[in-house]
This record gives sequence, C-alpha cells and structure tokens, in this order.
Amino acid sequence: EIVMTQSPATLSVSPGQRVTLSCRASQSVRGDLAWYQQKPGQAPRLLIYGASTRATGIPARFSGSGSGTEFTLTISSLQSGDFAIYFCQQYNNWPQLTFGGGTKVEIK
Amino acid sequence: QVQLVESGGGLVKPGGSLRLSCAASGFTFNDYYMGWIRQAPGKGLEWVSHINVVGSTISYADSVRGRFTLSRDNAKNSLYLQMNSLSAHDTAVYYCARDPSTGWNPDYYFDLWGQGTLVIVSS
Repeated sequence: EIVMTQSPATLSVSPGQRVTLSCRASQSVRGDLAWYQQKPGQAPRLLIYGASTRATGIPARFSGSGSGTEFTLTISSLQSGDFAIYFCQQYNNWPQLTFGGGTKVEIK
Repeated sequence: QVQLVESGGGLVKPGGSLRLSCAASGFTFNDYYMGWIRQAPGKGLEWVSHINVVGSTISYADSVRGRFTLSRDNAKNSLYLQMNSLSAHDTAVYYCARDPSTGWNPDYYFDLWGQGTLVIVSS
C-alpha cells in the first residue's frame, strides 16, 4: 500500500494569504495524484487531478504541482470559502487507492 | 441536475448486514465507472470499492474484501453496496462517487460525490 502523508495537519492563515499544502507519497506515484476540498458536513470536491490539472469549475487560484513522491497544492490568495480540509489521493497503484490524512486550513 | 444520492445507512449491530444504495441522475450512468469511499467520524478518506461500467470488474480494499459486495443496475441508474459481517471499524459515512472516465479504463479519482450515508455499527 502506498502511504500518503500530508503536512501540516493544520494551517492557520488569514484571508488573502498564499497557502502551500504538501503531500508526500511513500513511493513514486508519477503524476497520478488528485486533490480534494472538503467543507464541514459536505462531500469532498475534486480540485486537481493529474497532479496539476484543475477540475471543471475550479478557480485559477488553486494550482497543483509535483511528481513522483512530492506534491504541492497552492492557493494563491485564500478566500473565505476556502477554509476547509484538503486531501490528496494517489491513483497510480490502482485499484488500491489511498488518501492522505488531510490538512485543515483554518482562519487565523 | 447531476447528482448522486445515497441511502440505506443506519444503526446495525456487530455481525449484522446493511445494503447501501446510490441513485444517480443528470448523467448517463452506464457510461461511468463508480466507486464507494468511506470516512470514519473525524477521520480521513478510505477507498472501499470500484466497479466498471457493466459490473463485470470489481475491486475492493483489503479491509472489506470478502465481506462487502458492490453491484450496479444500469437500468435503474443505481449502485449498491452489500455489507456483511459488519464491525465497529466499519462505522463511517459512506460516499458514492463517480469516476470521470468514459473510456476503456477508469481514471481512479472521483469528480462527483454524493452527500453520504452514515453507517453506525454498535451494540
């Protein structure tokens, strides 16, 4: 099983700040990585797939980068609606898909 | 409206069974691979199972293989998860989700999720 580790667990930021979230894989997943946003009481929402491709309707302030074992999700200027938990998911080792533990982005 | 709506969750005793359903609408259900992902209270996401468009190829997480059975009825635009031999470790919100691939192979990520149905396994 490929273990996905996200850091930090919690990030306290102010609106308008640039935010960088990290996701590390225990072995290479090439570019087979997705990012999701989950708000309290809601289902996850796909943000990024293929490590860097924004899903339909996702604002340009969200960007993904990385390959192999190191990945980053960047929010260029945090909006009030972006306070949520963010999960990464690898799908290289299909069908054994695995998710990271999540990073909670909270208001500072 | 493109959506997935899960149902069938509830409280069940250890060792019991439950059948979850997922009703799809607003898109051509039989064009898409589908899956279930679960989330224990306050925890992260865990992939459970995946099924191809005709229901002939199904994969399971090790934690549920042999106990859970995934199926689909394309005529009813529905996905089902039969869960047997349930334990407290299976307590979670169960999400039905769509794999965006409409080709020969799945993408194995998920672009549409339902709101989830809560399963509680407790005596």
